[in-house]
Amino acid sequence: EAGVAQSPRYKIIEKRQSVAFWCNPISGHATLYWYQQILGQGPKLLIQFQNNGVVDDSQLPKDRFSAERLKGVDSTLKIQPAKLEDSAVYLCASRQGVWETQYFGPGTRLLVL
Amino acid sequence: AQSVTQLDSQVPVFEEAPVELRCNYSSSVSVYLFWYVQYPNQGLQLLLKYLSGSTLVKGINGFEAEFNKSQTSFHLRKPSVHISDTAEYFCALISSGSARQLTFGSGTQLTVLP
Repeated sequence: EAGVAQSPRYKIIEKRQSVAFWCNPISGHATLYWYQQILGQGPKLLIQFQNNGVVDDSQLPKDRFSAERLKGVDSTLKIQPAKLEDSAVYLCASRQGVWETQYFGPGTRLLVL
Repeated sequence: AQSVTQLDSQVPVFEEAPVELRCNYSSSVSVYLFWYVQYPNQGLQLLLKYLSGSTLVKGINGFEAEFNKSQTSFHLRKPSVHISDTAEYFCALISSGSARQLTFGSGTQLTVLP
């Protein structure tokens, strides 16, 4: 079974530029999460999707971050414009059933200069 | 609101020695507890989880953890570590009644020395 795929793996941009990350969850997994992991901290949830609907985006900085999962499968997370403090690893995870394990992708490491 | 506290940010230990990584939690409702491991430049991998039943939970790679409700703890243990266990370890919880969202601790870097 293929795992959660993310791309790109690494991205370096300058502040005020825009960037997009892509996630393809495990086939059949209805729930998809985006997390932000700042160096030295645990992952923090940004947004949760159930199929193509948003379950919780209360911690997403909506003035600059946006995310979509149009067909209920893969998802994109965008930052526009980026700030220095957005430097982090962005993790995507997916889950099938209510009490099933969350499976994490390898993450996209973003550096904002 | 719920929270997870990992008391040690770094734990160095010699190969073949036992190790305990400490985790305490705070929640006003019942919780479900997890330990994840993150190897360098990789995503998180589930080590073990406590949902209900026996308070001693066994996971992959020889790790185990014990849920202690009275002390609100979920410490991770391994009787004999290997070099390959060097990684970051995260304790996490899901509160009952939530949208099944994980709240993570800040992590413990385990470094196994030869």
